[in-house]
Amino acid sequence: GAGVSQSPRYKVAKRGQDVALRCDPISGHVSLFWYQQALGQGPEFLTYFQNEAQLDKSGLPSDRFFAERPEGSVSTLKIQRTQQEDSAVYLCASSLGTGAPGVETQYFGPGTRLLVL
Amino acid sequence: QKEVEQDPGPLSVPEGAIVSLNCTYSNSAFQYFMWYRQYSRKGPELLMYTYSSGNKEDGRFTAQVDKSSKYISLFIRDSQPSDSATYLCAMRKAAGNKLTFGGGTRVLVKP
Repeated sequence: GAGVSQSPRYKVAKRGQDVALRCDPISGHVSLFWYQQALGQGPEFLTYFQNEAQLDKSGLPSDRFFAERPEGSVSTLKIQRTQQEDSAVYLCASSLGTGAPGVETQYFGPGTRLLVL
Repeated sequence: QKEVEQDPGPLSVPEGAIVSLNCTYSNSAFQYFMWYRQYSRKGPELLMYTYSSGNKEDGRFTAQVDKSSKYISLFIRDSQPSDSATYLCAMRKAAGNKLTFGGGTRVLVKP
């Protein structure tokens, strides 16, 4: 009955380093989302998976950002050549993905706090 | 200009008072409206969601949607110190799954 988990919880990177952030969704959840939350701001959509298919990556800010979910469960968000403006909390959310009309609850993980120096 | 605007606060109220929060939006394509609560260093958790214009009540929480004015509200009655958090409004279009959030309002309920 665990919720969405993310690791690491905190990451400090030097500018130019590559980082990989992991998300473990709730078991059985088909849909998985990544959001970026800058300090004092609301989350902003990055990308969305349905099972292993990445259906929407319109929010990824540059080609330095890459996400994958190869087996339809765990997902990794990778940021190459990190920049200071990448400093933010990266939130992962999952939902059942039944396709029923209406709102499906997105359950959020605690986030990974990335600081790029 | 952002699609969803929300006053950042902080909004400070005494315990027991009514907390009033609101968001405005510019895109009439938004059809589903949600309120999330986010405690410090935690992920957002869903409080309420509404679809149609009007009121929806759940315990101490009431959500209102006015699509004609592109304005949504959340009221918290009998506020408690444990209600101190950041409240985020979020919206979704009929097609698609991604949420568009407001910037969040920080609420402080003082004992």
